[in-house]
Amino acid sequence: DQQVKQNSPSLSVQEGRISILNCDYTNSMFDYFLWYKKYPAEGPTFLISISSIKDKNEDGRFTVFLNKSAKHLSLHIVPSQPGDSAVYFCAARLTGGGNKLTFGTGTQLKVEL
Amino acid sequence: SAVISQKPSRDICQRGTSLTIQCQVDSQVTMMFWYRQQPGQSLTLIATANQGSEATYESGFVIDKFPISRPNLTFSTLTVSNMSPEDSSIYLCSARRGSYEQYFGPGTRLTVT
Repeated sequence: DQQVKQNSPSLSVQEGRISILNCDYTNSMFDYFLWYKKYPAEGPTFLISISSIKDKNEDGRFTVFLNKSAKHLSLHIVPSQPGDSAVYFCAARLTGGGNKLTFGTGTQLKVEL
Repeated sequence: SAVISQKPSRDICQRGTSLTIQCQVDSQVTMMFWYRQQPGQSLTLIATANQGSEATYESGFVIDKFPISRPNLTFSTLTVSNMSPEDSSIYLCSARRGSYEQYFGPGTRLTVT
């Protein structure tokens, strides 16, 4: 049972435009969400997170939006740069779940010149 | 954040043998974790490495197959025992300091022939 889903395996965007990466979840007991970026042959790098009590968190070019009623979160990257080309994973933590993070399957973002 | 290194970065092993992966963090951390990423799939938590006590394993993972040590607050090892081709994966360690964000090592790419 895939509780965190990233339905788009890949996304292609032009440099300078907005990249929107989407993530859906099924478990309403998730209370904290994170986005990670992963380059080939490297471990995932933490990007940004959001608590379930908020609907938006911004850090420079990265903004995460959370829609609890729709069980949906998205990562916006503005403006997109070629160095943003990577696989992006969303992850979620269960309330009372301790330290376990449940990851989505990832979206490959390609930013083209 | 935390800087995490893993050894080896990759290995090719024969069926039936065992491999021990080392994880070193540049400073003391409260929690360390081991994940597996099978080809084309997401990250799956194997276990939480507890300092000075037995690791806490997730459903589907057992100590006999994946023994873990954590002798201090900066170091942990994961052993993949009696390997089969199905164990071919990327194995990642991560560390948590403070809130829920986890920081990952570069991973160990294991191929079992």
